[in-house]
Amino acid sequence: NAGVTQTPKFRILKIGQSMTLQCAQDMNHNYMYWYRQDPGMGLKLIYYSVGAGITDKGEVPNGYNVSRSTTEDFPLRLELAAPSQTSVYFCASSRGQETQYFGPGTRLLVL
Amino acid sequence: GENVEQHPSTLSVQEGDSAVIKCTYSDSASNYFPWYKQELGKRPQLIIDIRSNVGEKKDQRIAVTLNKTAKHFSLHITETQPEDSAVYFCAASISTGFQKLVFGTGTRLLVSP
Repeated sequence: NAGVTQTPKFRILKIGQSMTLQCAQDMNHNYMYWYRQDPGMGLKLIYYSVGAGITDKGEVPNGYNVSRSTTEDFPLRLELAAPSQTSVYFCASSRGQETQYFGPGTRLLVL
Repeated sequence: GENVEQHPSTLSVQEGDSAVIKCTYSDSASNYFPWYKQELGKRPQLIIDIRSNVGEKKDQRIAVTLNKTAKHFSLHITETQPEDSAVYFCAASISTGFQKLVFGTGTRLLVSP
């Protein structure tokens, strides 16, 4: 199993541009999550999903959108990128309320 | 909103010493408390977790204790080694129809040889 995979690893965006961060898992987990981690800080939940077709907002959803059309994939969309969205983004998955497994992260720089 | 406070923010110890990291949580309904280790530039990885029906859990050199009355839990690392150097995050579950994790701000542990 590859576990949780994320692409790209690193991206530079200009202010106002849009992009999609990809996340996939091959563990057949029903729960998936997107977090952001700012330098020297903990993880903040952006969005989560409890299954295909079901998503909900976390602590810091503004400026982001998600979709969950399959069990495996949970992309995060950034519209109109802003410098405040410079961060490291982690996707995670879990089987119900068990251990969350994290992907390797996407480092995003908005200039 | 729900909050998890973590202390200290940095901790320096000598190899072989013990290290203790403490967290407090605000939601009395929290029932799951994982600890993650994050090495520089890497993803967070679970090292140990505890559920509210247990007061203590141990895995080799790592142990976690939970005091539900006081709403705090702690990570204990004994016989520290340089490879224990990393940032450690605690988290607590919050339940709003779905259990989400709220993370502490992290403790940077440095183990000197």
